[in-house]
Amino acid sequence: NAGVTQTPKFQVLKTGQSMTLQCAQDMNHEYMSWYRQDPGMGLRLIHYSVGAGITDQGEVPNGYNVSRSTTEDFPLRLLSAAPSQTSVYFCASRFRESSPYNEQFFGPGTRLTVL
Amino acid sequence: AQTVTQSQPEMSVQEAETVTLSCTYDTSENNYYLFWYKQPPSRQMILVIRQEAYKQQNATENRFSVNFQKAAKSFSLKISDSQLGDTAMYFCAFTAPYNAGNMLTFGGGTRLMVKP
Repeated sequence: NAGVTQTPKFQVLKTGQSMTLQCAQDMNHEYMSWYRQDPGMGLRLIHYSVGAGITDQGEVPNGYNVSRSTTEDFPLRLLSAAPSQTSVYFCASRFRESSPYNEQFFGPGTRLTVL
Repeated sequence: AQTVTQSQPEMSVQEAETVTLSCTYDTSENNYYLFWYKQPPSRQMILVIRQEAYKQQNATENRFSVNFQKAAKSFSLKISDSQLGDTAMYFCAFTAPYNAGNMLTFGGGTRLMVKP
């Protein structure tokens, strides 16, 4: 299993440009999520999905869109990039089991810089 | 909504010594779960240890152990016999059954440097 994969690893954008961060998992996990990591603020939840066709907003959703057409993929779209979106982005996934004790699996992250 | 606070932005420890990282949280729930994640320079998030709130016994994983004080809402991580490979960012995280999708709430992190 490749686990959780993210592409690209690094990206530089200009203000106003759009792009999609890709996330895929091959573990048949129902739950997938996107976090952003900023210095001193830890990881904050952007959007999440509990299954194909179902998405919801997290703590910091503004400026981002998501969709979940398949179990495996959960892309994050930046419609019009802003310097405030400069961050490291992590995708994560886990099984939909009864206990939240279950480990979440994280991708390697994407470092995004918006000029 | 719950919050997680890590009051030590940076810490250092000599190799082979013991260090304790602090974490406090705020919740009105009685049933929840706490985690410590390690993030080395590679950026990969690695689960170090986890604790269920209804278990009184503190979790232990080899050199890593926690001091879980439910009444004080405190969840500190103790690293014994520190090794150079323990140098990393450490994040405390929280989730609860009522969290939609059981997503995690993270603290701001503590950067730990292990010195030779």
